[in-house]
Amino acid sequence: QSALTQPPSASGSPGQSVTISCTGTSSDVGTYNYVSWYQQHPGKAPKLMIYEVSKRPSGVPDRFSGSKSGNTASLTVSGLQAEDEAEYYCSSYAGNNTFRVFGTGTKVTVL
Amino acid sequence: QLQLQESGPGLVKPSETLSLTCTVSGGSISSSSYSWGWIRQPPGKGLEWVATIYDSGRTYYNPSLKSRLTVSEDTSKNQFSLKVSSLTAADTAVYYCARLDYYTARPDYWGQGTLVTVSS
Repeated sequence: QSALTQPPSASGSPGQSVTISCTGTSSDVGTYNYVSWYQQHPGKAPKLMIYEVSKRPSGVPDRFSGSKSGNTASLTVSGLQAEDEAEYYCSSYAGNNTFRVFGTGTKVTVL
Repeated sequence: QLQLQESGPGLVKPSETLSLTCTVSGGSISSSSYSWGWIRQPPGKGLEWVATIYDSGRTYYNPSLKSRLTVSEDTSKNQFSLKVSSLTAADTAVYYCARLDYYTARPDYWGQGTLVTVSS
């Protein structure tokens, strides 16, 4: 099972929005509405930011939103803040055999 | 507050077997609401799902690693463990244990991770 494809980097100024794409296949993103997004700061464990495409866990700011169209999911961070600078990974359920696949990761820089 | 803590050797030799343990506090690994698993991240690279174990003892492994993996649980200690055999330098990574959604294996709580280096 191949990793989901994300752009290596994205950037925006404080207050702006940035959108990250996550492209999979009909075996994962395209079939299951079980896409999640994780934020990872250097040296730290990933933190769940979005699950089931667009749901936010308690405590995650509503500046973070998710969507999906076909085989591609997206994460949008609105009103960028300095603390949003991190690596972001998408992940999708991929069926009973493969279970979970992760994206290649996107480094978000706040200019 | 759920907490997960990985433990194990930081350095192992090629061809040897790695043993890691995850100790869970603030929740029970016997819960039928969640599964438990391992995810790893080579230095400077992305995340890779390794294995999942359910309360029934049922296990699922990454197909590309399956022949070298064993996951087990010790409910009396509220721990679960990972063994990886025939290690190579490619197994060098930060290994995370995590609580997973029961049906979709989505990690929602993570341990802090432990760096394992495979080197002679």
